[in-house]
Amino acid sequence: GQQLNQSPQSMFIQEGEDVSMNCTSSSIFNTWLWYKQDPGEGPVLLIALYKAGELTSNGRLTAQFGITRKDSFLNISASIPSDVGIYFCAGQLDFGNEKLTFGTGTRLTIIP
Amino acid sequence: DADVTQTPRNRITKTGKRIMLECSQTKGHDRMYWYRQDPGLGLRLIYYSFDVKDINKGEISDGYSVSRQAQAKFSLSLESAIPNQTALYFCATSDYGQYRTGELFFGEGSRLTVL
Repeated sequence: GQQLNQSPQSMFIQEGEDVSMNCTSSSIFNTWLWYKQDPGEGPVLLIALYKAGELTSNGRLTAQFGITRKDSFLNISASIPSDVGIYFCAGQLDFGNEKLTFGTGTRLTIIP
Repeated sequence: DADVTQTPRNRITKTGKRIMLECSQTKGHDRMYWYRQDPGLGLRLIYYSFDVKDINKGEISDGYSVSRQAQAKFSLSLESAIPNQTALYFCATSDYGQYRTGELFFGEGSRLTVL
């Protein structure tokens, strides 16, 4: 099946640093989404992108839908301790009748 | 209280045993899903259901079965558990309107260990 590869697999950063992660696919998606999983919880939607080239922000988070429709990027500015968790990208091919394909995840750890 | 509730939250069992993981939701959503999470592999879809009479296989359905007992209830069964089914299992819901945005609402997860 389709695979979404996320990079990096894990990140260790200091509080206040900016974070960048990306997600690449072997095939095209028409919707890209970013979810965050807090420790011991289920994933929660952060940002949804519906158009190639789209740049969307949610507070300190900014995500972009790649022009080729095969990739997406997530940036977190000025990281804080509650940013710790696993970030998943997800792709959706068609509206309404298509399940999501999730990426492999990027684990973010903040060093005190 | 959680909108999507999974039981049990943790379970340790032995190879060959039958296991059922249950999911109930109070969100009134039509669509329900079971995902499996493994380190380095992300979330992979096991089964999904768009309404009570609809059951669909996901990418890794072998060794699993599901039952949609009601709109609010979707259970996952392992008829004869094996060690490589050790994982964190998530139930999720969406409705058609929200599904168009790709938003799934996840439970807190059920950690299953098969010895």
